Amino acid sequence: TQLLEQSPQFLSIQEGENLTVYCNSSSVFSSLQWYRQEPGEGPVLLVTVVTGGEVKKLKRLTFQFGDARKDSSLHITAAQPGDTGLYLCAGPTSGTYKYIFGTGTRLKVLA
Amino acid sequence: EAEVAQSPRYKITEKSQAVAFWCDPISGHATLYWYRQILGQGPELLVQFQDESVVDDSQLPKDRFSAERLKGVDSTLKIQPAELGDSAMYLCASSLRLAGVDTQYFGPGTRLTVL
Repeated sequence: TQLLEQSPQFLSIQEGENLTVYCNSSSVFSSLQWYRQEPGEGPVLLVTVVTGGEVKKLKRLTFQFGDARKDSSLHITAAQPGDTGLYLCAGPTSGTYKYIFGTGTRLKVLA
Repeated sequence: EAEVAQSPRYKITEKSQAVAFWCDPISGHATLYWYRQILGQGPELLVQFQDESVVDDSQLPKDRFSAERLKGVDSTLKIQPAELGDSAMYLCASSLRLAGVDTQYFGPGTRLTVL
């Protein structure tokens, strides 16, 4: 069974702190997407990473795809209350069309 | 910006009743997905369409769930009869393959409550 495990599962921090969320698998992925989901809404795409070792920046968010394309990380600098939400990684395993989602990281940023 | 549309946004029903959800994907997206999401967890794929054909419904409880995408555009997911355990968020997504990469875009979801 192909799994995407995210850690930590829950994270509560103060505004202005930095944090990193991890997404790990034993399988190789052809690409990985990161989504943020707010309560009662659908996931919103943040970024797609494709190349092993790739780093992408979206304002205060930095995404990295592992060299072997089995893991990814999301780093948030100077977190703000608006960053609060459920962060999900997802992607198709290499050679398949089947998308799998990570277990999710629920982030709460306190003002 | 084009979006995936879903309706209704909320549905409350009693167990043993029938419910149906509708999804209109982003124009030009050939692949359409239906997911079920339990609160606090990641989405679980129920069914995936490529145009009008089902390519994966291995996790769809076929005794009570059905899905169709007759003209390869919009899609309907039906539950009959609904059970208490079906209470969840039902998400629709569509994707377009560009340069070998499939990226999914999600609709706002339908929150189902079964009483």
